[in-house]
Amino acid sequence: SQQGEEDPQALSIQEGENATMNCSYKTSINNLQWYRQNSGRGLVHLILIRSNEREKHSGRLRVTLDTSKKSSSLLITASRAADTASYFCAYTGGFKTIFGAGTRLFVKA
Amino acid sequence: DAGVIQSPRHEVTEMGQEVTLRCKPISGHDYLFWYRQTMMRGLELLIYFNNNVPIDDSGMPEDRFSAKMPNASFSTLKIQPSEPRDSAVYFCASSLEGFTEAFFGQGTRLTVV
Repeated sequence: SQQGEEDPQALSIQEGENATMNCSYKTSINNLQWYRQNSGRGLVHLILIRSNEREKHSGRLRVTLDTSKKSSSLLITASRAADTASYFCAYTGGFKTIFGAGTRLFVKA
Repeated sequence: DAGVIQSPRHEVTEMGQEVTLRCKPISGHDYLFWYRQTMMRGLELLIYFNNNVPIDDSGMPEDRFSAKMPNASFSTLKIQPSEPRDSAVYFCASSLEGFTEAFFGQGTRLTVV
């Protein structure tokens, strides 16, 4: 399998809580991205962090990257029911992007 | 722009039949990617094009799979003959700058019976 690893596989939280998802990879990378997928739909790009960056913010999203540990995390603050979706990390090394297995987030209203 | 457009959205076919999936990338995007998504293997890159030229097809599972990009606004992924294990959701995506922000189509859900 080409997949990177993500945890948890599934996460259920209450609206208003924060959600944290983690991604680990095995190669050196140029960048790491996070995507969101609603059921039955295509993936939507959320944020990209380059290998020389450690943290990036976009609205309620915060991404961190630790290249020494080959890991990244996605934090969604003040979650909403509309955030319910699957979230994938995708890391690029050389000329290939490998997607993680995804975390299914369920936000209860 | 309407985004990446894929057709058909759903395809049900019998084993042994030829299947053709179609994709129209976002205008001006030089990169086009074909992915396959299954529960078992997740999202896999099958092939990608740069300026209509296939660059890496190492993800194409077998010779039964072929992809073409005759011009900047159209690409096809063909499976001939199709097998039940080809059942999956196939996504087309395009990007402006290689392996950065990719825009995905809605996908084609293929069922081979």
